[in-house]
Amino acid sequence: DQQVKQNSPSLSVQEGRISILNCDYTNSMFDYFLWYKKYPAEGPTFLISISSIKDKNEDGRFTVFLNKSAKHLSLHIVPSQPGDSAVYFCAASPYILTGGGNKLTFGTGTQLKVEL
Amino acid sequence: AAGVIQSPRHLIKEKRETATLKCYPIPRHDTVYWYQQGPGQDPQFLISFYEKMQSDKGSIPDRFSAQQFSDYHSELNMSSLELGDSALYFCASSLEGPERESSYNEQFFGPGTRLTVL
Repeated sequence: DQQVKQNSPSLSVQEGRISILNCDYTNSMFDYFLWYKKYPAEGPTFLISISSIKDKNEDGRFTVFLNKSAKHLSLHIVPSQPGDSAVYFCAASPYILTGGGNKLTFGTGTQLKVEL
Repeated sequence: AAGVIQSPRHLIKEKRETATLKCYPIPRHDTVYWYQQGPGQDPQFLISFYEKMQSDKGSIPDRFSAQQFSDYHSELNMSSLELGDSALYFCASSLEGPERESSYNEQFFGPGTRLTVL
């Protein structure tokens, strides 16, 4: 039962254009959403996150939008750069005050390729 | 800035052997999460520790055990290895105790240990 879904396994975008990566979730208990970027043979690198009480969070070229009623979030990268080419994972977590309770549930990832 | 350290980076074992994976969290981080990523799959949560106590448990086989030590490093012990245990094992650390700087602290991942069982 895939609780976090990334329906596009791959996305190809031209340098300078906008990249939009999408993610859907089913579990209403998720309170926090994160995007990680992963290169081969490396661990996931944290990019940006958003709490369920917000609908937008921005950090430089990266913006995450959350539509809680639709259980949908998206990551916008503007402008896209060749160095952005990687696998992007969407992840969701409950917000548990007790330490160690915030396990991440990952989507299946989207391979982004930014072409020159 | 210091990152999460995992050792070894690569490990090759035979079936039915044992393996020990180590994780050294970012200094000051008090929480460790372990994840397993099989080929072509997303990372799956295994187990977590906060302040040296087990906090949560996911889809971790009974053949696996883990602990967090007084210096906050963690070890994942895997026994009676099976072919299906071949995967990338990630450790992530975060600061989730009273000293955390925000209400929710992100998890920072190590480079992973690639375990191959032959």
